[in-house]
Amino acid sequence: QKEVEQDPGPLSVPEGAIVSLNCTYSNSAFQYFMWYRQYSRKGPELLMYTYSSGNKEDGRFTAQVDKSSKYISLFIRDSQPSDSATYLCAMINSGGYQKVTFGTGTKLQVIP
Amino acid sequence: EAQVTQNPRYLITVTGKKLTVTCSQNMNHEYMSWYRQDPGLGLRQIYYSMNVEATDKGDVPEGYKVSRKEKRNFPLILESPSPNQTSLYFCASTPSPSHYEQYFGPGTRLTVT
Repeated sequence: QKEVEQDPGPLSVPEGAIVSLNCTYSNSAFQYFMWYRQYSRKGPELLMYTYSSGNKEDGRFTAQVDKSSKYISLFIRDSQPSDSATYLCAMINSGGYQKVTFGTGTKLQVIP
Repeated sequence: EAQVTQNPRYLITVTGKKLTVTCSQNMNHEYMSWYRQDPGLGLRQIYYSMNVEATDKGDVPEGYKVSRKEKRNFPLILESPSPNQTSLYFCASTPSPSHYEQYFGPGTRLTVT
């Protein structure tokens, strides 16, 4: 079993829809949670970062962490065609050394 | 502009022919790493470096070598490439090992025939 599980999609939604992207994990030592966005032919870029359980909002994006269920989500409101990309969840454990474990990514397409 | 650069961006080679993929960052970051990205497997760390002359294996180091002689450069060496090393490779850097955000290069698409 992988430490981080993420549905690869693809996920296709109409413009303006609310998108929900999710990851589950098995390692309870993960303490830092991130979402990266990767456009085609580009490297991943950090989109959201959270440390504790709860919600964090940034514009149209909301990151949610539920440590008790080992489940994280990224919500995109009023989705735009420019949001079409692959979204990778990533996690860091609580050790001093920064070892990042990535999900496999979910490919999102927003249809105009 | 602060960035991580990789060269070449695309490379097709044959089995056994040694190659080097270069990586350079202009942000004075201490920590650098190499990843490969494969469908269904996601990003997997190959090697990382915490600073000059300090490198260590990641999750999938077999068949790869690295060196860190200067802070800004972290080349990835495939001494005898094989077809199973066909992949998309990313170099990344971060200010320090305890920093959470990684800055990725644009990627190198390698095909080994």
